[in-house]
Amino acid sequence: GENVEQHPSTLSVQEGDSAVIKCTYSDSASNYFPWYKQELGKRPQLIIDIRSNVGEKKDQRIAVTLNKTAKHFSLHITETQPEDSAVYFCAPFGGNTPLVFGKGTRLSVIA
Amino acid sequence: GAGVSQSPRYKVAKRGQDVALRCDPISGHVSLFWYQQALGQGPEFLTYFQNEAQLDKSGLPSDRFFAERPEGSVSTLKIQRTQQEDSAVYLCASSFSKDIGNTIYFGEGSWLTVV
Repeated sequence: GENVEQHPSTLSVQEGDSAVIKCTYSDSASNYFPWYKQELGKRPQLIIDIRSNVGEKKDQRIAVTLNKTAKHFSLHITETQPEDSAVYFCAPFGGNTPLVFGKGTRLSVIA
Repeated sequence: GAGVSQSPRYKVAKRGQDVALRCDPISGHVSLFWYQQALGQGPEFLTYFQNEAQLDKSGLPSDRFFAERPEGSVSTLKIQRTQQEDSAVYLCASSFSKDIGNTIYFGEGSWLTVV
């Protein structure tokens, strides 16, 4: 099955700085790479995803980059704001099994 | 409906009690998933339905856990003889696609505390 690791587990940045979270996976057949954001006490919500036929996707302040050779993909948040504070999960899709979530990265944006 | 709806939102059960958690997916969504999320952890896969067929139940932690979706819409996750380690948030998610490598939409979860 898919083995997923996220780094770092916690991240603190000053408001306006950038944040990068990395996700490594084990299944070379993985072809769908989403990132979910979960605020305290709320449901996980998809914020951006990428498929294996592209290397990068951007949506305003959020971007995801994919390195299939190295089997990792990263979430990039620029110009961070306090409302970006949350737990972020990667969930690479490994073929036949439903999404396997990483353990999460707690991002704190300090005003 | 507008989103995935789960009930009850909060449940306190005495150890040994049976509980039933309900999920009402987004209308027309074919795929339905149950996840368990312990405090401070990521969601852990429990089981998956495509319409009424349970295609994968490999994540159910024991035979005390049972899920069904008899008419391919509403699903129920049942936990028998609850134990303290069952305390967690149970998240239901659905997707319009049969292809499970697609966006899934989560409900707000059912928070279960076993005392």
